[in-house]
Amino acid sequence: AQTVTQSQPEMSVQEAETVTLSCTYDTSENNYYLFWYKQPPSRQMILVIRQEAYKQQNATENRFSVNFQKAAKSFSLKISDSQLGDTAMYFCAFMNYGGATNKLIFGTGTLLAVQP
Amino acid sequence: EPEVTQTPSHQVTQMGQEVILRCVPISNHLYFYWYRQILGQKVEFLVSFYNNEISEKSEIFDDQFSVERPDGSNFTLKIRSTKLEDSAMYFCASSGTGVGQPQHFGDGTRLSIL
Repeated sequence: AQTVTQSQPEMSVQEAETVTLSCTYDTSENNYYLFWYKQPPSRQMILVIRQEAYKQQNATENRFSVNFQKAAKSFSLKISDSQLGDTAMYFCAFMNYGGATNKLIFGTGTLLAVQP
Repeated sequence: EPEVTQTPSHQVTQMGQEVILRCVPISNHLYFYWYRQILGQKVEFLVSFYNNEISEKSEIFDDQFSVERPDGSNFTLKIRSTKLEDSAMYFCASSGTGVGQPQHFGDGTRLSIL
């Protein structure tokens, strides 16, 4: 069974600085997808970024980028130029390729606080 | 941008009662999901639904739970004979066709069992 681990329960960063959130996962599959979702206090889960495991190039989305290390099964999220609106719980999630469904397996989350 | 909508935002129910949580997925999506998040814990998969039938369910999704798509727009989660431990945030999500499509989540329904 796949598992997702986020070892940092809480992190803090100053506004305009850069922060990296860690995520590791365990799977015996070769093809899969990885996601980062953001859950602000308003509680809606918002997709931040998506990575296909068969692509070596790291995904980027404006100030958000990932460092995908397939051999190490690591998928960290870097947030550049942090903004107050980035304050949220961040969840790393795994989706198996070609499974019965596209269910997501989530990590326990990292609570990020951006300080003014 | 299209959104997944969930109602109600908060539901308070006496233990033993039945509740129905409602979701309107994004209109051209064909895959629908329910997830649960107990306070302070991670988000857990409950069930996925495609082509008017359950495609996968977790061990949490026992006979107490059922899902239905009663019409072309709504997707519901019914919990019978609720227990205290059913108290949680319930999220509905939907996705389009194609492998690896991201899931779009609703705001969630906070279910409180008294």
